[in-house]
Order: sequence, then structure tokens, then C-alpha cells
Amino acid sequence: NAGVTQTPKFQVLKTGQSMTLQCAQDMNHNSMYWYRQDPGMGLRLIYYSASEGTTDKGEVPNGYNVSRLNKREFSLRLESAAPSQTSVYFCASSPGPLTDTQYFGPGTRLTVL
Amino acid sequence: GQQVMQIPQYQHVQEGEDFTTYCNSSTTLSNIQWYKQRPGGHPVFLIQLVKSGEVKKQKRLTFQFGEAKKNSSLHITATQTTDVGTYFCAGRNTNAGKSTFGDGTTLTVKP
Repeated sequence: NAGVTQTPKFQVLKTGQSMTLQCAQDMNHNSMYWYRQDPGMGLRLIYYSASEGTTDKGEVPNGYNVSRLNKREFSLRLESAAPSQTSVYFCASSPGPLTDTQYFGPGTRLTVL
Repeated sequence: GQQVMQIPQYQHVQEGEDFTTYCNSSTTLSNIQWYKQRPGGHPVFLIQLVKSGEVKKQKRLTFQFGEAKKNSSLHITATQTTDVGTYFCAGRNTNAGKSTFGDGTTLTVKP
């Protein structure tokens, strides 16, 4: 089992460019999450998907969109990247519902110039 | 919305000293999880507490869930350099659909 995988590991964008961060899990989990972590800071929830076919906004959704493509995959899209979106992005999954243990991917380190 | 507060934000200890981080919620929690993030790494699940007053141990780590299910603590006995990292708690409000993370406590250990 690979657990939670994320691609790419690193990315540099110019302001205004778009990109999609990919996340997949092979644990048959129902719930998936996208977080951002700025240097020296905690985890801030961007979007989450409680189950296949549903998505909900977290604390900091502005500038992002998500797609729960199927049970395994949950992608995060930046339509027009801004320097303020420079961060480390973590995807996580949990068995759900009411089973809250989250398993995190290795992260994507994104720099927007 | 649900708030989970974690203190202290930073803790610097000499190797061999004990360390404790505290997690407090304004509302009753269904459960609480603890995670560890090594520098440059991703958060890794340590443990989940569910019952009021629950205490669990993992080697030198002791986790407690308060009687009112509004607070929790993680205590490390005789810290080692391998304990370095940020420790996060995450709790689910009884009426919420997901857990909320605290801001974490970053532990540094001086050899």
C-alpha cells in the first residue's frame, strides 16, 4: 500500500499561472482533505470531501477549487496563482464517517514568483 | 466555529527533561487525535482518545483526555533528540462533520 500519494513534489509557478495538484489514496477511505502549511505555521484546511461526490469549503478556500474525481482521487486547482499561495500543500484521507484518523501525503512544495 | 487551542507554541528543552503540550477546546469533543510532524516532513498520526478521562501510553509518551472531554495533553518523559518536531492535536466537536487542528507545539531538544 502506498497510502496517500501527491504529485508533484515541488513546483514553481509565475503569478497568474494555473496548476492542479493531484492526490490519490489506496486505503479505500471515504474522506479526503487539502491543507496548506505556511513556514512555521499550523495546518489550514482549504477544502474537504466527506465522501465521493461531495466537497465543502474549509477555512481558506479562496483562490482554490477541488474535484473529487472518484473515491481514490481528490485534486486541488489554482486557477490564477498568487505569491500568497506559496506554501506546502498536504493532502490527507480518513476512513470516515466518524473515524477521524487522518493519513497525510508527503506534500507539494509550491512557490509562486 | 470550533476552536482548538494548543499551548505552548514553542518549547525548548535540554535532552532528558520532560515536555508537555496542552490542547483545549471551547466545546465538548467526540474524540481527539495527536500527530507528530518532523522538520521537513508530513504529520503522522500518533493516537486517538475517545473516552472521558482516558489515558494511553506509548513508550515515553503519555496521552490524556480530560474528564469533560474539552482538553487533552501529551507528555513526553526524558526527551530525546528524536522527539524533535511539531506536535498537533485535532478534535472533533460532537456536532461537527470533521476534526479541527490546533496550531501545534514545536519542540526543540538540546543535546
